[in-house]
Order: sequence, then C-alpha cells, then structure tokens
Amino acid sequence: AQSVTQLDSQVPVFEEAPVELRCNYSSSVSVYLFWYVQYPNQGLQLLLKYLSGSTLVKGINGFEAEFNKSQTSFHLRKPSVHISDTAEYFCAVTMLSGGYQKVTFGTGTKLQVIP
Amino acid sequence: KAGVTQTPRYLIKTRGQQVTLSCSPISGHRSVSWYQQTPGQGLQFLFEYFSETQRNKGNFPGRFSGRQFSNSRSEMNVSTLELGDSALYLCASSPIAGVGADTQYFGPGTRLTVL
Repeated sequence: AQSVTQLDSQVPVFEEAPVELRCNYSSSVSVYLFWYVQYPNQGLQLLLKYLSGSTLVKGINGFEAEFNKSQTSFHLRKPSVHISDTAEYFCAVTMLSGGYQKVTFGTGTKLQVIP
Repeated sequence: KAGVTQTPRYLIKTRGQQVTLSCSPISGHRSVSWYQQTPGQGLQFLFEYFSETQRNKGNFPGRFSGRQFSNSRSEMNVSTLELGDSALYLCASSPIAGVGADTQYFGPGTRLTVL
C-alpha cells in the first residue's frame, strides 16, 4: 500500500525568506508525484508534478520540487515567499493499481507567510 | 476550456436527509473522482468514475454513492446524512492519455453542512 507523509502541519515563514515543505512517500512500485495548493474556500490547484526524467521539477508561482528516489522524498521549495503564498499545500502520490490510477494525498501543510 | 464546475457551492441539510451533488468535468475529460475534505481527516478519496463505470472506491459506507452520465457529468449522493458528513466535497477530472499518470483538475468544491 502507498502512503504519503507531510511532516509539518504548519510552517510559518517571513516574507521573502526561503521555504521548504517536506513530503515523504512509501510505495512498492513506481509512483508519480504531485504538489497541489489550496487557497481558502477553493479547490486544489496543481503546482507541479514529477512523472519521469529530470528529478528537479519547476512549477508555477516560482515553486520547485526535487524527487529523491533513495530517500523517497519530494520536497517543495521556494527561494523567496510572498504573502500571497499563504495557503495549504498537499503532496500527492499516484500509482498504477490493476491498470488504474490510485491517488493518495498527504495531510497537508499550512504555509503562513508573515509580513 | 472551462474548468471543473460543481453545484451547488454551499448546502445546508439536516440529519437524516439525503443530498445530491453535481460535477461537470472539463470538456473531453472522461474520469471524475470525488473526495471528502474535513479538518480532521484531510482529503479522503471517495470514488472514481470512468465511462459511466465506477472503477475505484475508497473506504466509505454505502450511504455514499455516485454515478456518471454519458456526457461524463457525475453526481454524488449521500443518504441518511450524519453530522460527520459535514465537509467540503471536491470533484476532480482528468484526461485519459494511455497508461500513465494523469493530472487531476479540481473544482471549487461543495461545502455541505449537516445540522
């Protein structure tokens, strides 16, 4: 069975400071990895995804993530955060099971950008 | 292309009632998934429909059911509502492009409150 662990439920960071949101997963098969952002009272929006190829993935809004197979991690980073980045971030893992995709989400990390 | 739409956006029901939520996927998307999001349990997968057939199901009681129509629109039904069913219900659609990972596109959700 696959699982996703987001180690930090809340991350406070000052504006213009760098941030890293951690995500670890476990799976016995190859996976595809995603980061989503959810703003208050809205649905989820895709930030970036890793399917294959380069382990460093760049997404929207200046975010990037690095896939580390040996550490089974997919941490999200941004070199300089803005107030508008205040939101909840979800890591997700997709694997193929029986020919169909199965998606598992982490519990989310609330990023609080402090002015 | 228009995004995923969900109706209604907000709903208030009382215990014991039933409710039907609707989701219209992005044009051309044939897969629709439903999720329940609560502060305590996070994002939990309910079920996925593809070509009018349920192909994946999460660990929810039989009170939760769904269906998909030939135009890929989907409905989710919850019967005999309980207080714990209060949640944000998210619908997500994805294109099918052979065997591989499909990005899910989320709607804004329906906020269900059970009194």
